Amino acid sequence: GEDVEQSLFLSVREGDSSVINCTYTDSSSTYLYWYKQEPGAGLQLLTYIFSNMDMKQDQRLTVLLNKKDKHLSLRIADTQTGDSAIYFCAVFTGGGNKLTFGTGTQLKVEL
Amino acid sequence: SAVISQKPSRDICQRGTSLTIQCQVDSQVTMMFWYRQQPGQSLTLIATANQGSEATYESGFVIDKFPISRPNLTFSTLTVSNMSPEDSSIYLCSVGDRVTEAFFGQGTRLTVV
Repeated sequence: GEDVEQSLFLSVREGDSSVINCTYTDSSSTYLYWYKQEPGAGLQLLTYIFSNMDMKQDQRLTVLLNKKDKHLSLRIADTQTGDSAIYFCAVFTGGGNKLTFGTGTQLKVEL
Repeated sequence: SAVISQKPSRDICQRGTSLTIQCQVDSQVTMMFWYRQQPGQSLTLIATANQGSEATYESGFVIDKFPISRPNLTFSTLTVSNMSPEDSSIYLCSVGDRVTEAFFGQGTRLTVV
C-alpha cells in the first residue's frame, strides 16, 4: 500500500518562509493534497495538485511536485503566527480509491 | 464547499459502552467516509459509508466494532461499540464526490475512561 512520510516538526520565525516536505511511494498517485489542522479542530483543505502539474500557487501557498522523486512540498510565504498548526499531506491513489495521509508536520511560528 | 456538521463534538464515555457519532452534510454527496485519528497520529480510514448498502471497511476495522449507517445522501452515523481506552481518538467524517473535493467535519473527540 501507499506510504506517506513527513518530518514531524518545523519551527520558523514570523515573516520567514516555511517549507513542509512530504514523500510518498505509489507512483500512480493522481491527486495530492495539503490539509491544515489547528488545535481541537478538524481538517481544513488548503490546496491540492494533480500529478501532471509541477507547481501550483495560491496566494501565500506554493505547492511543488517532483513526480520522479515522489516528493511534494508546501511553501508558506510570510509565515504568520496564525499559520501554527499541524499540516498533513494526503495522496489519492485511483486504484485504492482512497486518501492516504502522512504523519503530519507540526509548524511552530515564533515571534 | 460542503458544510459538514458532526455531533457530538466531544464526549467522555465509560468503557464497555457505545457511542454513536452523527455526520450531517448540507448537500447531497455520494461519497462519505469515516476516519480515526489516534492521539498524536495521522488519519486512518475506517470505512466508506455507502448509501443503501453495507459500509466498506478497511483492513483492521470490522462492522461489529464500528457499525455504520447511511440512510440517505446527506447523513451518516458511526458507532463505536464496547469501548475501551484504546478507542480514545478523534473520529472524523469526510465527504467528496470529486477527488478535488475531500472535506472534513470538525471531528468528535472521544475519551474512554
